[in-house]
Amino acid sequence: DVKVTQSSRYLVKRTGEKVFLECVQDMDHENMFWYRQDPGLGLRLIYFSYDVKMKEKGDIPEGYSVSREKKERFSLILESASTNQTSMYLCASRKRGSTEAFFGQGTRLTVV
Amino acid sequence: KNQVEQSPQSLIILEGKNCTLQCNYTVSPFSNLRWYKQDTGRGPVSLTIMTFSENTKSNGRYTATLDADTKQSSLHITASQLSDSASYICVVCTTSGTYKYIFGTGTRLKVLA
Repeated sequence: DVKVTQSSRYLVKRTGEKVFLECVQDMDHENMFWYRQDPGLGLRLIYFSYDVKMKEKGDIPEGYSVSREKKERFSLILESASTNQTSMYLCASRKRGSTEAFFGQGTRLTVV
Repeated sequence: KNQVEQSPQSLIILEGKNCTLQCNYTVSPFSNLRWYKQDTGRGPVSLTIMTFSENTKSNGRYTATLDADTKQSSLHITASQLSDSASYICVVCTTSGTYKYIFGTGTRLKVLA
């Protein structure tokens, strides 16, 4: 079974802090994604990566950056956390050529 | 604009009853449509996938239908169980350049004993 693991289930950070959300997948998938999920808005794409060291902006990249130094790991970085970044963050991975995305369990981030 | 709309927003049913969730989409070009189940505090898990040529697909007590002409899909849950309580998300995959997902906002289902 594909496993996508996010490093934290719950995080509480202060405004202005730099925040790292980590995601690891164990199926050698080329594509990885970061979404945020807010009530009434559904999942919105922040960034995605086609392969190692490659990244593309999604629909809402402002205030975020990403890092993909190894194929299995995709990190989301909040450079200076703000309260409007309080949300559920979901990582996903997908094999190149497939349309099925596998999701991690999510990280609920609260910025106070 | 590519959009996926789901109804109802939320639904409460008694254990053992059936229910049907709706998904309407305006996505082009269309590749496939998936229904995901998301338990509270968890990531979404795929239930079914349907391509343009498929009308019906079942996965246990879950049956999805697709009408590509009217751009509508439904997810029917038979003999509901308490464990069916979750959010159900309709996701349409489009192939403009690369595979991209358009997510609905989900239907929150609560099954009561």
